[in-house]
Amino acid sequence: GDSVTQMEGPVTLSEEAFLTINCTYTATGYPSLFWYVQYPGEGLQLLLKATKADDKGSNKGFEATYRKETTSFHLEKGSVQVSDSAVYFCALSGDAGGTSYGKLTFGQGTILTVHP
Amino acid sequence: NAGVTQTPKFQVLKTGQSMTLQCAQDMNHEYMSWYRQDPGMGLRLIHYSVGAGITDQGEVPNGYNVSRSTTEDFPLRLLSAAPSQTSVYFCASSYRGTDYEQYFGPGTRLTVT
Repeated sequence: GDSVTQMEGPVTLSEEAFLTINCTYTATGYPSLFWYVQYPGEGLQLLLKATKADDKGSNKGFEATYRKETTSFHLEKGSVQVSDSAVYFCALSGDAGGTSYGKLTFGQGTILTVHP
Repeated sequence: NAGVTQTPKFQVLKTGQSMTLQCAQDMNHEYMSWYRQDPGMGLRLIHYSVGAGITDQGEVPNGYNVSRSTTEDFPLRLLSAAPSQTSVYFCASSYRGTDYEQYFGPGTRLTVT
């Protein structure tokens, strides 16, 4: 079945550092890929998405590119802030030919802590 | 729009008790899902629905029942609570028009003692 693997965490950075959180996936067909963010005590919010190969999703300074050749969707930000401290989840939604069509399969989440 | 709402926000149950977690959405989304979130395991799908009257099992359905009598509501029933069901539960809805990106409720934190 479909699966998503995220880099092990937690990740601790100083403010203005560069962030990369790795995400790779296994899926049939052409899934849509998502990054969700969960701030302390809150539900999940969509951060960005990409629906086809070579698409780049971006939001709030975060970016991720859908790489079908490496089945990856790594999250990057050039300069993190304390307010970016949260848990980040990579997820996929399968296409009509896959078993996870319309549903999300999540990675295990990466805790990011940014210090001043 | 209120989006996706969940009640209660917190709940403590004793082993063997039953209860229903409520979920409602006002966006006319066809898909609704229930997830549980446990430390280090991400979110795991419990049950989902592709429309009123249609439900199916996800990855971890045992001990939970769902029904979908309307487009708006998707309650999750715990039949006989067990400590292993201590978790945070999220309801979500989605539709084809936004590539099935899911809109999440605020969650219900459940403790079973």
